[in-house]
Amino acid sequence: LAKTTQPISMDSYEGQEVNITCSHNNIATNDYITWYQQFPSQGPRFIIQGYKTKVTNEVASLFIPADRKSSTLSLPRVSLSDTAVYYCLVDSGATNKLIFGTGTLLAVQP
Amino acid sequence: DTEVTQTPKHLVMGMTNKKSLKCEQHMGHRAMYWYKQKAKKPPELMFVYSYEKLSINESVPSRFSPECPNSSLLNLHLHALQPEDSALYLCASSQVGGTGGYEQYFGPGTRLTVT
Repeated sequence: LAKTTQPISMDSYEGQEVNITCSHNNIATNDYITWYQQFPSQGPRFIIQGYKTKVTNEVASLFIPADRKSSTLSLPRVSLSDTAVYYCLVDSGATNKLIFGTGTLLAVQP
Repeated sequence: DTEVTQTPKHLVMGMTNKKSLKCEQHMGHRAMYWYKQKAKKPPELMFVYSYEKLSINESVPSRFSPECPNSSLLNLHLHALQPEDSALYLCASSQVGGTGGYEQYFGPGTRLTVT
């Protein structure tokens, strides 16, 4: 079963690029990696999803190395409103499991 | 309409009560999910319905009973809960599912307190 770990917290300043990593050593061939953002007392919100290499959308990039045992969410030029908890999710079609990572609290300061 | 709604927002119930949580989506999604989230922890999957059939049940105690009356509605019936069941209960939906890389849309959750 995939165990998915993230740093507990990160600090940044407005305008900086932030990279948050997720370790998923037991990822299976058919598994996807998805990142969600969660504000207090709200449900998670989809950010980006990938399977391998690099994916980019209007808010973030996702980097997945060839061995797929980790992934990195990259947020360009963060603002105060990006202060939230960020979760990676391993979506395992192989084992029919949805496993959220431990979560990273990103605190953005002025 | 890309919204998942959940009612009630807050619920306080005693250990002998019976209550229900409700979830609704009108995006035409055919998969719906229940998660439980304790404070400062990630969401934990409880149940997945795919095409109105229960497809994943993550060994949840029988005091939690899910129901999917139609493709837009999902209920979670609660009976004889314990104080440790107090948590935020999240509903989500996706186009199809439960696994295979589909974006999930989450509701705001129901904050449940068991006294």
